Amino acid sequence: GESVGLHLPTLSVQEGDNSIINCAYSNSASDYFIWYKQESGKGPQFIIDIRSNMDKRQGQRVTVLLNKTVKHLSLQIAATQPGDSAVYFCAEKPSGGSNYKLTFGKGTLLTVNP
Amino acid sequence: AAGVIQSPRHLIKEKRETATLKCYPIPRHDTVYWYQQGPGQDPQFLISFYEKMQSDKGSIPDRFSAQQFSDYHSELNMSSLELGDSALYFCATADRGGAGDEQFFGPGTRLTVL
Repeated sequence: GESVGLHLPTLSVQEGDNSIINCAYSNSASDYFIWYKQESGKGPQFIIDIRSNMDKRQGQRVTVLLNKTVKHLSLQIAATQPGDSAVYFCAEKPSGGSNYKLTFGKGTLLTVNP
Repeated sequence: AAGVIQSPRHLIKEKRETATLKCYPIPRHDTVYWYQQGPGQDPQFLISFYEKMQSDKGSIPDRFSAQQFSDYHSELNMSSLELGDSALYFCATADRGGAGDEQFFGPGTRLTVL
């Protein structure tokens, strides 16, 4: 769902289920995308990244899918565990030049129920 | 492995006071990014430095300034603090000289302005 004001989109899943978190990015010139996990009171933690010349990349229990046509990014977490509960952000980096800053999307709060 | 160090972790100031936040990069990282994260918000890019020179500027108020020193640590100076400056401030560092894209985030400084 859409975030309004201070309210984050939320996703609640049962332990062991698969989770899918979605993100729409804005800049068609972005060539590098990252998913971060942020636990309460901590800094964002790198999960997985993908470059624009790929449409899928897999890590340990996580998969990132990139659809450049509709500027959509998703993070799939297999066999979700209570320790996966956190806010998940996608971030994009435009290509070219010296512009290395990241633009973050709206986070999604994932809650894993035991 | 060494991580990004930020100090202080918590800071309480009153309106119109000044604050200095410090960031110590991972060894051999030459780039520092500063982000501000309000409650329930995504991190917003403020400013970045590469090899001690400002490389990019985002939504940083004129009341704020930053620099990167010869040892690559960075300081964010905030003056005439306002209530709206209360937020988590993260720095992230990267090895851009090594053409690395990944940014490693510190644990953040929580600034509360009363």
